[in-house]
Amino acid sequence: DAKTTQPPSMDCAEGRAANLPCNHSTISGNEYVYWYRQIHSQGPQYIIHGLKNNETNEMASLIITEDRKSSTLILPHATLRDTAVYYCIVRVMNRDDKIIFGKGTRLHILP
Amino acid sequence: DAEITQSPRHKITETGRQVTLACHQTWNHNNMFWYRQDLGHGLRLIHYSYGVHDTNKGEVSDGYSVSRSNTEDLPLTLESAASSQTSVYFCASTASVGNEQFFGPGTRLTVL
Repeated sequence: DAKTTQPPSMDCAEGRAANLPCNHSTISGNEYVYWYRQIHSQGPQYIIHGLKNNETNEMASLIITEDRKSSTLILPHATLRDTAVYYCIVRVMNRDDKIIFGKGTRLHILP
Repeated sequence: DAEITQSPRHKITETGRQVTLACHQTWNHNNMFWYRQDLGHGLRLIHYSYGVHDTNKGEVSDGYSVSRSNTEDLPLTLESAASSQTSVYFCASTASVGNEQFFGPGTRLTVL
């Protein structure tokens, strides 16, 4: 699986959009981009995933660049409950279902 | 509602003892995973299973074993606990390849 690069930490004001970047310059054509988050002391939680088109669900939006070498997770109206570590993961969709987590981005939502 | 549970939630044990951590899911998911999480290391995969009687080693499998005798359970055993195995352990499951993983609440294990 391709490796990802994320900033170690970010701040965002409450009510603003939080934009979390991820670089995955070695991504291959059959690899998807997944995002998970982990709120303190809890298990990770799935947020969203995509291949090449932008995706949106009730939690967030995922913007993938045309060359697929980077992506951005957008939390449109961040709240204090969005304070968490956010993991960007690139995975091949085959029998190998395991996730290799990096260190993620620690997002602080400021009141 | 279907869920994934882990027990115990907290465990203190002594070096050299055998410890088993339980993971139980009621979604009837085929794929189950065990991770450990330490400060500065993020989540690291220990073992995983794609179905009954199937087990596979992850990136940090030394000192751990798993068995899958039914769909619902994947117990993790530390044959002889070591202080280096003090960690928070998370279990996860997915219905099929590529689907989102659902994580349990975690077990905090301390080996003295």
